[in-house]
Amino acid sequence: GENVEQHPSTLSVQEGDSAVIKCTYSDSASNYFPWYKQELGKRPQLIIDIRSNVGEKKDQRIAVTLNKTAKHFSLHITETQPEDSAVYFCAALKRNYGQNFVFGPGTRLSVLP
Amino acid sequence: DTEVTQTPKHLVMGMTNKKSLKCEQHMGHRAMYWYKQKAKKPPELMFVYSYEKLSINESVPSRFSPECPNSSLLNLHLHALQPEDSALYLCASSQGSGGRHADTQYFGPGTRLTVL
Repeated sequence: GENVEQHPSTLSVQEGDSAVIKCTYSDSASNYFPWYKQELGKRPQLIIDIRSNVGEKKDQRIAVTLNKTAKHFSLHITETQPEDSAVYFCAALKRNYGQNFVFGPGTRLSVLP
Repeated sequence: DTEVTQTPKHLVMGMTNKKSLKCEQHMGHRAMYWYKQKAKKPPELMFVYSYEKLSINESVPSRFSPECPNSSLLNLHLHALQPEDSALYLCASSQGSGGRHADTQYFGPGTRLTVL
């Protein structure tokens, strides 16, 4: 089955700096890769996603890149703000396999003012 | 309406109790999910309903029993739980059909369950 690894497990950056979180997946048939942000005590919220037919996607300060050959995808947050502090989860999905998401273990991002 | 709602927000139950968790969405989504999330861990898939039929059951113990009465509602019936079942239980939904956003999952706020 699919296995998703995520690094780093914790990340501290100064406000205004960039943050990068990387995930690798094992199953080349996976074709949809969302990123979720989860604040303490709250639900996971989708922040950006990418499909396997796209190499990069950007939404304001957030971007995701996908390298299908290497089977990894990364989240890039620029101009970080304290409210970006949260746990970020990546996930991988094989579309035709019952919509079974496999989540990475998460990255705790702290943005220091 | 772009929300998934869950009730109750918190639940404390004994090991001999029977209780139910409820989830509702009015986005017309045809796939609904139950996840279990322990502290500092990612959500772990339990069940998937697609078009009101159970399509995935990730080897969940029988003390958890899902039910999908209609396309908007999803229940999780709990019976004879163990203290290690204490966790945040999240419901999610997605379009579940073809289209650009078919796979995007929207999560409810969760029910924090404590088993004594």
